[in-house]
Amino acid sequence: QQQVKQSPQSLIVQKGGISIINCAYENTAFDYFPWYQQFPGKGPALLIAIRPDVSEKKEGRFTISFNKSAKQFSLHIMDSQPGDSATYFCAASRRGSTLGRLYFGRGTQLTVWP
Amino acid sequence: DSGVTQTPKHLITATGQRVTLRCSPRSGDLSVYWYQQSLDQGLQFLIQYYNGEERAKGNILERFSAQQFPDLHSELNLSSLELGDSALYFCASSVVVDTGELFFGEGSRLTVL
Repeated sequence: QQQVKQSPQSLIVQKGGISIINCAYENTAFDYFPWYQQFPGKGPALLIAIRPDVSEKKEGRFTISFNKSAKQFSLHIMDSQPGDSATYFCAASRRGSTLGRLYFGRGTQLTVWP
Repeated sequence: DSGVTQTPKHLITATGQRVTLRCSPRSGDLSVYWYQQSLDQGLQFLIQYYNGEERAKGNILERFSAQQFPDLHSELNLSSLELGDSALYFCASSVVVDTGELFFGEGSRLTVL
C-alpha cells in the first residue's frame, strides 16, 4: 500500500511557468515531509522539507504548501526553468521510527520547455 | 556529487546467483541507508545502519542482508536472485541517526537474467 500518493505522474510546463506537484498521505504520525529531486543517472537529492507546524516554506523558487487537516502537501516551482527538468519525489517520515525511513511517492517527471 | 560512493554501477547476473553491493558514505557520516528503486514499487526503504549497528528495517527480503563495517562502509548482499530483484539500489548516508536529510549515491543497477 502506497503510504504517500503523488500526482501528476508527468508534467510539462513552459519556461517561466509554475509547476505544481501534489501529494497526500494517510498516516497522521508522519511529521517530516521532504521533497527530493532526481536527475537521470543520479541519486535523489534533498530539495526542500517541511514539518507540520508550519503551513508554508519557501526557498528561492521552490515553495512547499502544507495542509495538515487535509493531509496534503504540494511543491510549487515558480519561474520554471529547463534546468528544473527532473523527477520529483515527495516523501514522509515519522519520529518514533527513524526519520531516514522515508516513504516516497511514485514521482513526477517534470519537463520544462524553453 | 553527494560524496556517497557506490560500486559497482552496473551488474548483470543470472537467477539464483549472489551479489554484493558496496557503499562508502560521506566522510564523517555515521548512518547508512539502503533503498531499492524499481518500476513496480518505486523507492522503497530497505535498511539503516548507524555506527555499525542495525537501526531500522524496512521491506527487506530474507534473501537480502546488509552490514556496516568499522570503517563505516556498508555492503548489501543479495542472494538466490530472482528476476524481480532487478532494480536500482541506492545507498544514502547522513551525519546523525535521526534525520530525513539523506545524501544519496548514484546507485547500483542490478539486472537479473
